[in-house]
Amino acid sequence: DAKTTQPNSMESNEEEPVHLPCNHSTISGTDYIHWYRQLPSQGPEYVIHGLTSNVNNRMASLAIAEDRKSSTLILHRATLRDAAVYYCILRDEDTDKLIFGTGTRLQVFP
Amino acid sequence: GAVVSQHPSRVICKSGTSVKIECRSLDFQATTMFWYRQFPKQSLMLMATSNEGSKATYEQGVEKDKFLINHASLTLSTLTVTSAHPEDSSFYICSASSLAGIYNEQFFGPGTRLTVL
Repeated sequence: DAKTTQPNSMESNEEEPVHLPCNHSTISGTDYIHWYRQLPSQGPEYVIHGLTSNVNNRMASLAIAEDRKSSTLILHRATLRDAAVYYCILRDEDTDKLIFGTGTRLQVFP
Repeated sequence: GAVVSQHPSRVICKSGTSVKIECRSLDFQATTMFWYRQFPKQSLMLMATSNEGSKATYEQGVEKDKFLINHASLTLSTLTVTSAHPEDSSFYICSASSLAGIYNEQFFGPGTRLTVL
């Protein structure tokens, strides 16, 4: 079963920041927090991942709570191309499996 | 990032026939490949994990005799849907990962849309 909880959908206007929340209260000490996104009729695309510290890359930032029971994906300036389903996933370090939950469908309006 | 391809991108077949889908890692050696299935407006569901040179490990509820997986080389895994029926129509997606480096990232293919008439 998926071990993360995300809102079903969120909306944003273009060029505004977007904060996508994720709860993972049962996270274990070795679970990495991953974010992938999926555009319609495409395979998922890696966005970012982290373990304990906040992470930044060219696509987004990942803010991880101190107790690691929640995290937030931050898109600093949403564009129309960011409209997608965003999945927050805890990766099983023993099997490397990614168990997808329902994700958050992000709509971006011009 | 690394590139994973799938072939074909879409296939239409008659009920009762078998369909083979290929998943290739183009610029890295994939020690592990995963196969997912996604129905319309639903999330991805992991079907099986395959390691090069060994039998695939199927998730609970996935029929191994219906979904044959072969991972014969470090760059190729195939999924064969045997005796396909309309309920097998779905979007099939593979991913590949490598043990190279400290962290083995998973890279996804573009998916194969199967329609069974």
